[in-house]
Amino acid sequence: DVKVTQSSRYLVKRTGEKVFLECVQDMDHENMFWYRQDPGLGLRLIYFSYDVKMKEKGDIPEGYSVSREKKERFSLILESASTNQTSMYLCASSFGGSGSRNTGELFFGEGSRLTVL
Amino acid sequence: KNQVEQSPQSLIILEGKNCTLQCNYTVSPFSNLRWYKQDTGRGPVSLTIMTFSENTKSNGRYTATLDADTKQSSLHITASQLSDSASYICVVSGSTGGFKTIFGAGTRLFVKA
Repeated sequence: DVKVTQSSRYLVKRTGEKVFLECVQDMDHENMFWYRQDPGLGLRLIYFSYDVKMKEKGDIPEGYSVSREKKERFSLILESASTNQTSMYLCASSFGGSGSRNTGELFFGEGSRLTVL
Repeated sequence: KNQVEQSPQSLIILEGKNCTLQCNYTVSPFSNLRWYKQDTGRGPVSLTIMTFSENTKSNGRYTATLDADTKQSSLHITASQLSDSASYICVVSGSTGGFKTIFGAGTRLFVKA
C-alpha cells in the first residue's frame, strides 16, 4: 500500500513564526504536491514538484515555499506564518512520466491542521 | 474557466437508504475523473477513476457514472452505512500526472441510524 506520511497532524503557531510541514512517501513517486483545504472550497494547489530539486508554483503559492532535496520528501515552509494561513494542509504524491503507472491518481497523507494565533 | 461543481453541498440520509451525488465539470481537455472519500480530519482516499471512454465503474457499494458529452458524473451509494458519513470529492484532471487537476468543494454526507 502507498503510504504518504505527514509529520504533524496538529500544530499551533504564533503569527510571524516559521513553520515546517514535512511529507514523506514510500512509493518512489516522482510527483509530490502540497494543497490546502478550507471549508466550502475545493483543495487548492500551493506548490508541486515533479523531480528532486524541482518545484513549480500552484494556484496559491504566496506566503509559502517548498523544498525537495530527496525524492521521497517534500517540505512546505511558511516563512512567517499569518492567521490567514490557518488551514488543513494535505500532501499528495503520484507517479510521473509517460508510463502506464501514471494514471493521475493522487495518494494523500492524513493532513496537518495548522492554527496560527 | 476550468471548474468542478458538486451538488448537493450536504446530504442527510437514513442508514440503509441509497443516495446519488452529482458532479458537473467544465475542465477541457478532459483526461480522467476521480471520486475521493474523505473522512473527517483525514486525507482523501480514492474510490474510483474513470477515463473518457468509461461510463461506469463500481467499487463495492459505490458506483460512479460518467457522461463525457454532458460533462457530468454521479456517485451512487447503495445501502448506506454509518461509515459512509464523509465528504465525497469529485476531481477532474485535464492531463495525466495531476498537474492540471481541479477539485470540487465536496458533498458532505451524513448517514443517520
